[in-house]
Amino acid sequence: DADVTQTPRNRITKTGKRIMLECSQTKGHDRMYWYRQDPGLGLRLIYYSFDVKDINKGEISDGYSVSRQAQAKFSLSLESAIPNQTALYFCATSAQGYEQYFGPGTRLTVT
Amino acid sequence: QKEVEQNSGPLSVPEGAIASLNCTYSDRGSQSFFWYRQYSGKSPELIMSIYSNGDKEDGRFTAQLNKASQYVSLLIRDSQPSDSATYLCAVIRSGAGSYQLTFGKGTKLSVIP
Repeated sequence: DADVTQTPRNRITKTGKRIMLECSQTKGHDRMYWYRQDPGLGLRLIYYSFDVKDINKGEISDGYSVSRQAQAKFSLSLESAIPNQTALYFCATSAQGYEQYFGPGTRLTVT
Repeated sequence: QKEVEQNSGPLSVPEGAIASLNCTYSDRGSQSFFWYRQYSGKSPELIMSIYSNGDKEDGRFTAQLNKASQYVSLLIRDSQPSDSATYLCAVIRSGAGSYQLTFGKGTKLSVIP
């Protein structure tokens, strides 16, 4: 089984809808991250969490919110999806060191 | 100035050759450096990390770091068609939020059989 899983893997939604992307990990890592990847713009950090009680904004947090339900679970929500949030979304985890390990990604399309 | 810069490529090398991928970074206080490989439509996969000046070898991969020149590179020896992917350089910068990775936009490598 994969160490970092993301659901759903693909999602098409309409403008204005609320959507949640979920991430779970079995690596036992404390730190979890959400990134989005767009062609030509690379990977950009949305939010990160160092433990259940610690949530921090990343480079591009506007329009997103997160919830750290447990050490192993970190969810990303789009409260009212818009077309420019169409992207590939990745969850990542790390231990006390700096090396981050990525989940398989969610391809989100907002129409 | 972009924080982490990479030549977008594509970089084409023949099978069996050495592929050399380069990355420069702007924050002189950066501490940790990583190379990720990403196949099209897939997630980034960590292949090398390097924290101090010099070379670090792992199989066919060698990472090289020169902090004075703010330069990090990845050499792939005996390149194989399966190495064809986009290679992402990532840096942890100094200061607040120092666990945040900043990524370059990646270099696309094509290994020609």
